[in-house]
Amino acid sequence: QQQVKQSPQSLIVQKGGISIINCAYENTAFDYFPWYQQFPGKGPALLIAIRPDVSEKKEGRFTISFNKSAKQFSLHIMDSQPGDSATYFCAASIRGYSTLTFGKGTMLLVSP
Amino acid sequence: DAGVTQSPTHLIKTRGQQVTLRCSPKSGHDTVSWYQQALGQGPQFIFQYYEEEERQRGNFPDRFSGHQFPNYSSELNVNALLLGDSALYLCASSPDREYYGYTFGSGTRLTVV
Repeated sequence: QQQVKQSPQSLIVQKGGISIINCAYENTAFDYFPWYQQFPGKGPALLIAIRPDVSEKKEGRFTISFNKSAKQFSLHIMDSQPGDSATYFCAASIRGYSTLTFGKGTMLLVSP
Repeated sequence: DAGVTQSPTHLIKTRGQQVTLRCSPKSGHDTVSWYQQALGQGPQFIFQYYEEEERQRGNFPDRFSGHQFPNYSSELNVNALLLGDSALYLCASSPDREYYGYTFGSGTRLTVV
């Protein structure tokens, strides 16, 4: 499976600010793009996901923007809170294969 | 409703030894996948089990093997441990062919010394 490239590696945002994490992929067979949140000592937990037939999906303060032509997708966290401080992973999967290819992660710190 | 349960939570082994990690999937899930997460990296797919058969495998050597039992629980075995095998090993379960239902356990932290 092709690599999923994630940036930035780390991010510091003030409370109430917007956190933006970007991912890019190469394999056009990918058709499912989830974002996972991981706290220290825990496994990744699904945050939000999108399929390539839509350009944006919003769930509460979390929004995925998807650009199929550019093969890029991003996570926006609005009104960031200290409790959002965690590592975020983008991932991608191919229809019919329930395996995920992950990015390397972004460590987010929201300062009070 | 219990999620994915993994045991043990931490493990220290010596280089060259063998290790077995265990996973109980979430209720209603019959597919189990194993991932290796090195420090500061994203999880990497090792293999997936369904109906007691290895269905897919990632780019890992044969030293990594697994098993799935009739109750859907699974084991990951690693032989001839190397220092580079030190990582967090994650088990994820899902209903078959419904990858959006992926649920991860908290993992087993393996340290090879």
